Amino acid sequence: AQSVTQLGSHVSVSEGALVLLRCNYSSSVPPYLFWYVQYPNQGLQLLLKYTSAATLVKGINGFEAEFKKSETSFHLTKPSAHMSDAAEYFCAVSTSTGNQFYFGTGTSLTVIP
Amino acid sequence: DTAVSQTPKYLVTQMGNDKSIKCEQNLGHDTMYWYKQDSKKFLKIMFSYNNKELIINETVPNRFSPKSPDKAHLNLHINSLELGDSAVYFCASSQGLSGAYSPLHFGNGTRLTVT
Repeated sequence: AQSVTQLGSHVSVSEGALVLLRCNYSSSVPPYLFWYVQYPNQGLQLLLKYTSAATLVKGINGFEAEFKKSETSFHLTKPSAHMSDAAEYFCAVSTSTGNQFYFGTGTSLTVIP
Repeated sequence: DTAVSQTPKYLVTQMGNDKSIKCEQNLGHDTMYWYKQDSKKFLKIMFSYNNKELIINETVPNRFSPKSPDKAHLNLHINSLELGDSAVYFCASSQGLSGAYSPLHFGNGTRLTVT
């Protein structure tokens, strides 16, 4: 069975500081990995997805994630946090058939001015 | 222009009532889903339909019944609402069986409050 684990349900960073949100996956086959962001009272929005074309994936709003097979990780980073980045972030993995998605428990990001 | 739209956005009702949530997608996707997000933000898959056929039916009370009249619509009907049904329900769509890299596209959610 596939799953993802997000370490740290709450992360606080100062404005301008590095953002690092952790995600580890458990998969016996090549994973299909995604990061989503959820702003208050909104649906989830795709930040980026891993497609095996490159291990470093760039997404929207300056976010990127690096796929590390040896560590079974897909951590999300952003060099400089902005107040508008405050939101809930979800890591997700889908099956090879593409019809089932498993979400992590989410990480709430707070940006301190 | 909205890709995945669901109505209503807010739903407040009393225990024992029956209610429906509607969802429509204009992305041409072949797979649609219902997710439930609880107060701790945990997302749980409830149902998934591919081209109007049910393909995922997680352990959900049979008071919940999805209906897909066509591949662009997936509605959720809930009978005999209970306090524990209070949550945010998200509709989503994807290319599903046609592409493993196809991400989910979410609606903005329906916040259901049962009193």
